[in-house]
Amino acid sequence: DAGVTQSPTHLIKTRGQQVTLRCSPKSGHDTVSWYQQALGQGPQFIFQYYEEEERQRGNFPDRFSGHQFPNYSSELNVNALLLGDSALYLCASSFGGEYDIQYFGAGTRLSVL
Amino acid sequence: QKEVEQNSGPLSVPEGAIASLNCTYSDRVSQSFFWYRQYSGKSPELIMSIYSNGDKEDGRFTAQLNKASQYVSLLIRDSQPSDSATYLCAGHGSGNTGKLIFGQGTTLQVKP
Repeated sequence: DAGVTQSPTHLIKTRGQQVTLRCSPKSGHDTVSWYQQALGQGPQFIFQYYEEEERQRGNFPDRFSGHQFPNYSSELNVNALLLGDSALYLCASSFGGEYDIQYFGAGTRLSVL
Repeated sequence: QKEVEQNSGPLSVPEGAIASLNCTYSDRVSQSFFWYRQYSGKSPELIMSIYSNGDKEDGRFTAQLNKASQYVSLLIRDSQPSDSATYLCAGHGSGNTGKLIFGQGTTLQVKP
């Protein structure tokens, strides 16, 4: 049973560029949440997708957008990259319910130069 | 007040001792809580979940929730060097759907 998978593992971009990160949820899960984790900090909630809709959003600018596909996989897009966007981006999957346990993928390490 | 607060540590304990990790939360956090373990450079791994007041035990781990004091703790018995990691406390946002709010994590060092 595959867990949550994310790609790519590492990414290096320059300021102003755009990036797309991908996530496949754990088998049987239909909800995907995205988090940003800066060094030495806890993860910060970006948004959550359920039934291909953005169900909730954290305090992130519109440069951060996402999508969920019919197979429940998801993408996180970040436009006009800033140096401060350098972080570990984590995808977590869960099953439908409001308070269900979220399981994390290995993350994508994004470096913006 | 931060929504979820943890002492960043490091907390250092000798091998075989009990490690006690603590977390407090504000009214903006709901009553379901999770402890995740994160090794350096890796992603968070779920250790325990707790939803009701009181204690919940799983092997060497015991989670405690005190809703009146808005306090959550994790006890690790017979600590091993492999337990050395950052422990993240998280709760769901009150009235919101699915958003997990994390503390900054406590670094635990278990010395042989």
